[in-house]
Amino acid sequence: NAGVTQTPKFRVLKTGQSMTLLCAQDMNHEYMYWYRQDPGMGLRLIHYSVGEGTTAKGEVPDGYNVSRLKKQNFLLGLESAAPSQTSVYFCASSIPGYTGELFFGEGSRLTVL
Amino acid sequence: AQSVSQHNHHVILSEAASLELGCNYSYGGTVNLFWYVQYPGQHLQLLLKYFSGDPLVKGIKGFEAEFIKSKFSFNLRKPSVQWSDTAEYFCAVPSGGGADGLTFGKGTHLIIQP
Repeated sequence: NAGVTQTPKFRVLKTGQSMTLLCAQDMNHEYMYWYRQDPGMGLRLIHYSVGEGTTAKGEVPDGYNVSRLKKQNFLLGLESAAPSQTSVYFCASSIPGYTGELFFGEGSRLTVL
Repeated sequence: AQSVSQHNHHVILSEAASLELGCNYSYGGTVNLFWYVQYPGQHLQLLLKYFSGDPLVKGIKGFEAEFIKSKFSFNLRKPSVQWSDTAEYFCAVPSGGGADGLTFGKGTHLIIQP
């Protein structure tokens, strides 16, 4: 079972470049999330989605955009990358009814020079 | 919104030592509590969870946690750690009780020395 898959796993960008991280889940989960993980900061929620065609802002949404055109995919976009966006990004999904249990992808390490 | 704090950011233990990692949460109605573990280079995975009932919950790999309502705490314990327990441990609570995910503590980096 693939679970939650993120691509790419690693990426190096120059300041001002744009890129998109793709998250795909095969568990038919309604809810999907994008977190960033920084040393000493834990995980912070960027954006989330409760279903196809819907998105909402999390704790640290500035500089990011998201789209959920298909239920199984959740895209995270950086329009103009900044060094402050150097981080490890994790996608997660969960079922409705909200037990709170999240299923995570393996992460995408992004470096912005 | 709920919040969670972890007291120990870095812990170093020898193999076979006992472990207790602290976690305190802010009150926010129904309490669901989680511990996640992240092994080096891997994604987060659920270690254990508390929803209701017995306040002592058991998780994978011999870990357990006790929910103490009066202290707003959910500390993680293991009687005898192994080198393979080296990882980062996160306590988490639902952010708002809806679909807006979990709020994580800042994590505890645990190093087990052989």
